[in-house]
Amino acid sequence: AQSVTQLGSHVSVSEGALVLLRCNYSSSVPPYLFWYVQYPNQGLQLLLKYTTGATLVKGINGFEAEFKKSETSFHLTKPSAHMSDAAEYFCAVRGPNSGNTPLVFGKGTRLSVIA
Amino acid sequence: DGGITQSPKYLFRKEGQNVTLSCEQNLNHDAMYWYRQDPGQGLRLIYYSQIVNDFQKGDIAEGYSVSREKKESFPLTVTSAQKNPTAFYLCASKTSDSYNEQFFGPGTRLTVL
Repeated sequence: AQSVTQLGSHVSVSEGALVLLRCNYSSSVPPYLFWYVQYPNQGLQLLLKYTTGATLVKGINGFEAEFKKSETSFHLTKPSAHMSDAAEYFCAVRGPNSGNTPLVFGKGTRLSVIA
Repeated sequence: DGGITQSPKYLFRKEGQNVTLSCEQNLNHDAMYWYRQDPGQGLRLIYYSQIVNDFQKGDIAEGYSVSREKKESFPLTVTSAQKNPTAFYLCASKTSDSYNEQFFGPGTRLTVL
């Protein structure tokens, strides 16, 4: 069974600073990994995903994440935070060959950006 | 435009009443999902359906019911047996390939008075 741990329920950064949101997963096989963003009172929007191939994945809004198998991590980064990045971010995992079984989500990290 | 529709956006009900939340998708996705979101608890899976006329319980199915009579529709009924129904409810769907992500609707905020 897969599981996800997001370290830090709330992260605060200054505008223009590096954003780092941490995600560690547990899986017996190399998983598929996803990052979603949620703005207040809205649904979730996919930022990026890792399935196979290149371990550094680029997504929308300048975000990227790196799959590190040895560390079982998939941390989300952005070089320079913008006020519009303030939102809640969710990491999720699914095992390969798992068809339509639901994604397993972390509890989320709320990102605040200070002017 | 293809997407997932949830209606209404805000819903108010009196305690003890059943209420049905709508979820419709025109993405031709096979699988559909219902999640509940409460502050600080992330997303919790209520029910999911991988094909028409079939569905499985998630982690918190008690007090909820679903149906999947059409590929496009997956309504969720919150029954009076659900002790704390006030929450934000999210519907999602995906294609059959494992590597594909789930697409989410805009959500329905249910408040039980």
